[in-house]
Order: sequence, then structure tokens, then C-alpha cells
Amino acid sequence: NAGVMQNPRHLVRRRGQEARLRCSPMKGHSHVYWYRQLPEEGLKFMVYLQKENIIDESGMPKERFSAEFPKEGPSILRIQQVVRGDSAAYFCASSGSGGEQFFGPGTRLTVL
Amino acid sequence: GENVEQHPSTLSVQEGDSAVIKCTYSDSASNYFPWYKQELGKRPQLIIDIRSNVGEKKDQRIAVTLNKTAKHFSLHITETQPEDSAVYFCAAGPNTGTASKLTFGTGTRLQVTL
Repeated sequence: NAGVMQNPRHLVRRRGQEARLRCSPMKGHSHVYWYRQLPEEGLKFMVYLQKENIIDESGMPKERFSAEFPKEGPSILRIQQVVRGDSAAYFCASSGSGGEQFFGPGTRLTVL
Repeated sequence: GENVEQHPSTLSVQEGDSAVIKCTYSDSASNYFPWYKQELGKRPQLIIDIRSNVGEKKDQRIAVTLNKTAKHFSLHITETQPEDSAVYFCAAGPNTGTASKLTFGTGTRLQVTL
């Protein structure tokens, strides 16, 4: 049973470019969460999605950031016009209805 | 919103000793408390969790206790081994048995020395 998959694992962007991070949940899971982790810090909640619906986006900046989880395909976290402060590890987690969250390997975004 | 505090930020123990990490939370609606272990450059891994209807849970060398009245929960690792060295995060979630976001503590870096 494959775990949570994320790609790319590493992403380098220049300031002003767009970053697209993808997450495929564990088989049988329909809940996806995105978290951001800065170096030497904890995980900060960004957004929680179910298929085709955003359930809670209270942790996501209102500008430049968006997320989706379409009926088919992976969840996408999109960051437009990236700035140096967006450099971080972005982790996706998935859960079933029971709530236990399992994390993917993360995407490490570096903004030059 | 929920606020989770975690102590200590670093902890060094000798192999074979016990390690205890403590967390407090602010929202009395929180009912689910997982613990994650994160090795350098790796994903957080769920190692144990506890729900509000239970005061203590144990899994081999790892145990977690919960005091809902005081709003704190703790992770206990006995007979520590070098491979226990990692950063440990506590978290709190508002619902029991349903999906919801987690609020994480700031982490404890555990170093097990020989």
C-alpha cells in the first residue's frame, strides 16, 4: 500500500515565478492537508481539502497561495509570484475518516 | 484558535535512560493528541496518539498520558536507544474520530548519547 506521495521533492524557483506542488494521498484516503515547515521550526497548518472542496483554509495566506483537490488527480498547492520568504518544506498529509494523518516526504522549495 | 506549547526544546539523555516531553494546549474542544517523530530531512512519522476518552496509552517503549482537566499531555520513552534521536512534535486536533486540522508544538530535539 503506497504511502502519501509528493512531487517534486526539491523545487528551485526565482522570485516572481510560480511554484506547483503536488500530493497524492494514501489509497483510500479522501482528506488532504498541507503544512509548511520552516528550518528548525514546527509544522504550520495551511489548508485542509476533501475531493473538490476546501474545508478549512484558515492557515493559508490570502494572496498568492491557492490549493485544489480535483475529482481526479493529485492535490495541488500553487504559489504565485514566489518570494524568498516562501522558501520552506511543504508537507502534505492525508487521512481517512478516522483522522490519523500520515505525511508525505515533503517538497523543499528554494526561492532564489 | 488552538495554541500548543511544547517543552523542552532540546533534551539529551544517555542510552537506556527515560525521556519525557510535555505539551500543553489551550482549546478545551481538542480531543485528539498525536505524536510525530521526524528524523533529519525526513517526513514526520506518527508514533502514537491518544484520544480524550483515554488517560494513558502504551506501545512497547513509548507511552502517552493525557490530563484533560489541566490541558496537558506527555510522551514517555523508556530504555532509550540511539535510533530514538530525532525531533518529536506533539499536536492537538479538535475532533475525535473525524478528520480535522492539527496544531503542532514547536518540537523537541532528543539526543540519545552512548
